[in-house]
Amino acid sequence: AQSVTQLGSHVSVSEGALVLLRCNYSSSVPPYLFWYVQYPNQGLQLLLKYTTGATLVKGINGFEAEFKKSETSFHLTKPSAHMSDAAEYFCAVSDRDRDDKIIFGKGTRLHILP
Amino acid sequence: DAGITQSPRHKVTETGTPVTLRCHQTENHRYMYWYRQDPGHGLRLIHYSYGVKDTDKGEVSDGYSVSRSKTEDFLLTLESATSSQTSVYFCATRTSGGFGETQYFGPGTRLLVL
Repeated sequence: AQSVTQLGSHVSVSEGALVLLRCNYSSSVPPYLFWYVQYPNQGLQLLLKYTTGATLVKGINGFEAEFKKSETSFHLTKPSAHMSDAAEYFCAVSDRDRDDKIIFGKGTRLHILP
Repeated sequence: DAGITQSPRHKVTETGTPVTLRCHQTENHRYMYWYRQDPGHGLRLIHYSYGVKDTDKGEVSDGYSVSRSKTEDFLLTLESATSSQTSVYFCATRTSGGFGETQYFGPGTRLLVL
């Protein structure tokens, strides 16, 4: 069965510093991969996703993620953190052979320090 | 924004009472999902639907039932609410179940079971 692990339930970075949120998946076949963001008291919205093609995926608000098959990873990065990036981030996967369900990680809350 | 509304947005109920949450979408998406979000657990799938009258269980379906009599509406029922069902419930929709399609989320319903 598909699973996804996010390392670190809380991550703190200074404003202007690099943001790195880690995500690893377990699957014998590379799945579809997603990053979602949740701002306080809101639903989730898609940041970016990898389905096929280029392994470096660019998303909204300056975020990007790189699919690395050899490391079974899909880490999320942003070169320079902004206060507005404070939110909870969820990595998610779905099976290419049965794509009707998306499995979410437990989330990483990103704190931005002034 | 996929035009997803959830009602009610907040509800307080007592143990043992039935509760129904409604998800309504205006995008004619085929797939609809119910998740619960709890601290430390991320989002967990309760039930989902892949068409009118077609539903399937997720990973935490015990104590919940669903119905979908129209494309636009997906109802989640707690037959006899328990305190362990206190949570934030999110509805999501998706155009189809293939090729890594994006899920779109509603604003959530906060349920407190006393």
